[in-house]
Amino acid sequence: AQSVTQLGSHVSVSEGALVLLRCNYSSSVPPYLFWYVQYPNQGLQLLLKYTTGATLVKGINGFEAEFKKSETSFHLTKPSAHMSDAAEYFCAVAGGTSYGKLTFGQGTILTVHP
Amino acid sequence: GAVVSQHPSRVICKSGTSVKIECRSLDFQATTMFWYRQFPKQSLMLMATSNEGSKATYEQGVEKDKFLINHASLTLSTLTVTSAHPEDSSFYICSAGDIRGSYGYTFGSGTRLTVV
Repeated sequence: AQSVTQLGSHVSVSEGALVLLRCNYSSSVPPYLFWYVQYPNQGLQLLLKYTTGATLVKGINGFEAEFKKSETSFHLTKPSAHMSDAAEYFCAVAGGTSYGKLTFGQGTILTVHP
Repeated sequence: GAVVSQHPSRVICKSGTSVKIECRSLDFQATTMFWYRQFPKQSLMLMATSNEGSKATYEQGVEKDKFLINHASLTLSTLTVTSAHPEDSSFYICSAGDIRGSYGYTFGSGTRLTVV
């Protein structure tokens, strides 16, 4: 079984500041990890994913995440926040025998102040 | 890139009626589709996994007779909410995986269901 914990349901940053959204996972098998962004009343857009290989993953819109197995973490970062980054972000994990089934974290709402 | 179309985006129905939501993969064959439900200010909860040509697999606690899922082709899965009640009001989202089993799941844009 897998689980995901996102630390902080709300994160607020100033425009231009570093964005750090935390995600810790639990998985009994090697995990596949994802970050998605959701704007109000819309579906999910994939920001980036980790499957195998390089542990630092770069995604769209300047986001990146690093898979740290020893810490069971997959934190999402962006060096400089933009107003358009304000949205809800979900970390998700897949693995085990049910390939394809994603387990989502609770979500983190990112607010960007001018 | 892979595109998943979900329709309708919003629907309001009367209590006791049924509503059908469609999820289509536009440019790839989706052997597997997933249906999620999202309550306000909450995360996505998987309702069921839909495999083309076979019965859907429902998650624990999801009423299969209330949420009918059909995946008759490699590009279309439907979710029918039968005898809808106000507590079924929610945001429903589908996602699809391509035939190669890629982990690049593509999500539809979601359907806001309001039962009055």
